[in-house]
Parts: sequence; C-alpha cells; structure tokens
Amino acid sequence: AQSVAQPEDQVNVAEGNPLTVKCTYSVSGNPYLFWYVQYPNRGLQFLLKYITGDNLVKGSYGFEAEFNKSQTSFHLKKPSALVSDSALYFCAVRANLGSTLTFGKGTMLLVSP
Amino acid sequence: SAVISQKPSRDICQRGTSLTIQCQVDSQVTMMFWYRQQPGQSLTLIATANQGSEATYESGFVIDKFPISRPNLTFSTLTVSNMSPEDSSIYLCSVEKIAANEQFFGPGTRLTVL
Repeated sequence: AQSVAQPEDQVNVAEGNPLTVKCTYSVSGNPYLFWYVQYPNRGLQFLLKYITGDNLVKGSYGFEAEFNKSQTSFHLKKPSALVSDSALYFCAVRANLGSTLTFGKGTMLLVSP
Repeated sequence: SAVISQKPSRDICQRGTSLTIQCQVDSQVTMMFWYRQQPGQSLTLIATANQGSEATYESGFVIDKFPISRPNLTFSTLTVSNMSPEDSSIYLCSVEKIAANEQFFGPGTRLTVL
C-alpha cells in the first residue's frame, strides 16, 4: 500500500524568508510525486510533479521540490515566501501511470507580513 | 490542463434527502474521479467514474450510497443518497487525460447536511 506523510500541520514563515513544507512517502517501485495547493473555498491547483529525471522539479508560482530517493522525501520549497502563498498544501503519490493518487493530510502554510 | 466546473458550488440539505453533483470538463478526458474532503481532513477517493460502465468504488464506499454516472467523456454526476450530517464535506471532481500523469480538480461542492 502507498502512503504519504506530511509531518507538520502548520508551517509559519515571515514574508521574504525561504519556506519548506515537508513530505515523505512510501510506495512500491518508483514513485510519481505531486504537490497541490488549496486556497480557501477553492479546489486543488496543481503545483508540480516528479516523474523521472532531474531530482529538482520547478513548478508554478516559484515553487520547487526536491526528490530524495534515499530519504523517500519530496519537500516543497520556495526561496522567498509571499503572503499570498498562505494556503493548504497537499503532497500526493501514485505507484504508476493511471493508478490512484494517495494524498497526505495537508500542511497549512501561513506567511506573515 | 483542463477547465472543470461543478454544480452546485454549495448546498445545505436536510437529513434523509439526496443531492446530485454535476461535473463538466471542457475537453475529453480519459479518467474522472470523485473525492471527498471532510472538514479539516485530506482528500479521500470515493470512486473512479467509468464511461459506459459501473464506477469503481474504493473501500468503504458503495454504489447505493454514492451512485455515479458518466454518460460521455466530458460529464459525470455523483449522488449523495439518504444524507446524514456525517456526509457534510467538500466533494471534488477530478480528471486526467491519457498519458498526462497529472490530475486536475474542479472547484468542489461544499455540502452541509442538517
């Protein structure tokens, strides 16, 4: 069975500082990894994905994530946080193309002015 | 990408009634899914909507409670039957195009059952 762990319920960061939202996963075989963001009263928006290739993946809104196979992690990062980045972030994993997605419980990111 | 709309965006319903949620996509997609997001929780997959055949339900979800239709490649409905307050959730439709390996989500339907 596949699973995703987001160990932090909430991450607080000041605007302009770097941010990291943590994600670790468990899956049989090579993982397909995703990050989504959910703004209040909105659906999920796709941020980025790792399928294969370069371990550092760049996505929307200046976010990036680093795939680390030995640590089974896929942490989301941004060099300089914006207040508008405040939202709920979900990490997700699937074992292969077409299989079901498993989501983490989500991490609330709060960026203070 | 894909543009997905859901109707209604929100509703308040009485216990014991049923609500049908519609999901419309702007282009043909291979797969359509229905998720539930309970208050303060993550997303849980209810079922995969299959075109022209019965939906594939995840463990803990049954057709009698959540009947699903998918008459074509751009439209699906989810019905929440005989509702109880425990069904109060956000219901999200998502789609995936063949070989795209990413899912796109609709805006969700916020359901409150009194």
